[in-house]
Amino acid sequence: ELKVEQNPLFLSMQEGKNYTIYCNYSTTSDRLYWYRQDPGKSLESLFVLLSNGAVKQEGRLMASLDTKARLSTLHITAAVHDLSATYFCAVANYGGATNKLIFGTGTLLAVQP
Amino acid sequence: GAGVSQSPSNKVTEKGKDVELRCDPISGHTALYWYRQSLGQGLEFLIYFQGNSAPDKSGLPSDRFSAERTGGSVSTLTIQRTQQEDSAVYLCASSSPNQAQYFGPGTRLTVT
Repeated sequence: ELKVEQNPLFLSMQEGKNYTIYCNYSTTSDRLYWYRQDPGKSLESLFVLLSNGAVKQEGRLMASLDTKARLSTLHITAAVHDLSATYFCAVANYGGATNKLIFGTGTLLAVQP
Repeated sequence: GAGVSQSPSNKVTEKGKDVELRCDPISGHTALYWYRQSLGQGLEFLIYFQGNSAPDKSGLPSDRFSAERTGGSVSTLTIQRTQQEDSAVYLCASSSPNQAQYFGPGTRLTVT
């Protein structure tokens, strides 16, 4: 059974600082996703990582995937308050009949001025 | 273009009543998914549709839960004889093959 672990669960950062969120998963997977969720809102797709060594960047966020280590990271550079949200990683296993996503627990990011 | 839409946005029902939740996916997306999000359980997969068929129903928590999809488009999730533990936000997502899943705004279900 595919399990996805995310850490930390809660991250309080000061503006301008850098930090990394980690996402570990337990079995081989074809692809990994990062989503953002603002309070009371739905999930917004941030990144789709399709292969070993994939790196994607959007603004102050950069995501990477190491399929051999079964690890993805979401790196935040020079955080700003607008990045405050909950971030989820999700792993899909397309082997077989299902395309379901297994989500991590989420990381609540609070960026303090 | 239009995103995934869901209705109602909020639903309050009494324990034991049946409820129907609707999802309208992005036009052209063949895959449709239902998830639910609750404080205690996080984000859980419920069911996956490819076209009108459901190759993966493994996440449905009990036989009180069912879903259908007609015309390869709109889907309805039905919960019969609702229980308090069914209270959650029910999220629908759709995707093209091998692409990101795009989520709707969700239906917040409260069972009193």
